[in-house]
Amino acid sequence: DGGITQSPKYLFRKEGQNVTLSCEQNLNHDAMYWYRQDPGQGLRLIYYSQIVNDFQKGDIAEGYSVSREKKESFPLTVTSAQKNPTAFYLCASSPPGLAGEGEQFFGPGTRLTVL
Amino acid sequence: GQNIDQPTEMTATEGAIVQINCTYQTSGFNGLFWYQQHAGEAPTFLSYNVLDGLEEKGRFSSFLSRSKGYSYLLLKELQMKDSASYLCAVFYNTDKLIFGTGTRLQVFP
Repeated sequence: DGGITQSPKYLFRKEGQNVTLSCEQNLNHDAMYWYRQDPGQGLRLIYYSQIVNDFQKGDIAEGYSVSREKKESFPLTVTSAQKNPTAFYLCASSPPGLAGEGEQFFGPGTRLTVL
Repeated sequence: GQNIDQPTEMTATEGAIVQINCTYQTSGFNGLFWYQQHAGEAPTFLSYNVLDGLEEKGRFSSFLSRSKGYSYLLLKELQMKDSASYLCAVFYNTDKLIFGTGTRLQVFP
């Protein structure tokens, strides 16, 4: 069964703690993405990676870090420097293809609440 | 800069037709996606337009006019399960998607 998994579905942390959200895919996709979604807003790109051992900042990278040591995995760390980390976090991946074939497949998301 | 606009909320009646509009201003345009997202869940792919015109897929159709920076999603024979948010997203520079804020559609019996 191919797909993208994110765990856990709900996560609670105290203010000032770093937390790592996992994202794993067995679709053999090269590109992976992290988005943040706040109530009533669209998805905003945090980081993305087109290939193993390489990643780029998205529009709201401050306070976040990522790694891409394996093709299947793209974990996101929310650091204490992120001012407002409570949000719904979505991971996505997309297969290689010609320009314009950018369909992204999404994981189920992790809802992070910082207390 | 990149910008996408779509209405915040829409309502419709079961069995009716609804059109959700999306306008965009982006550089490096490569295509436009529509996604459906139920509350608390991940977005799921509905349609993709790269050329001008209408793409039909069952009850859902999507239209694109690149010269006008305009797209719409047409939903026919509305069902209660179509109550969801509909996200317009532009694929640009061959490697990124930018999303609109989404249109929350409520279908009433």
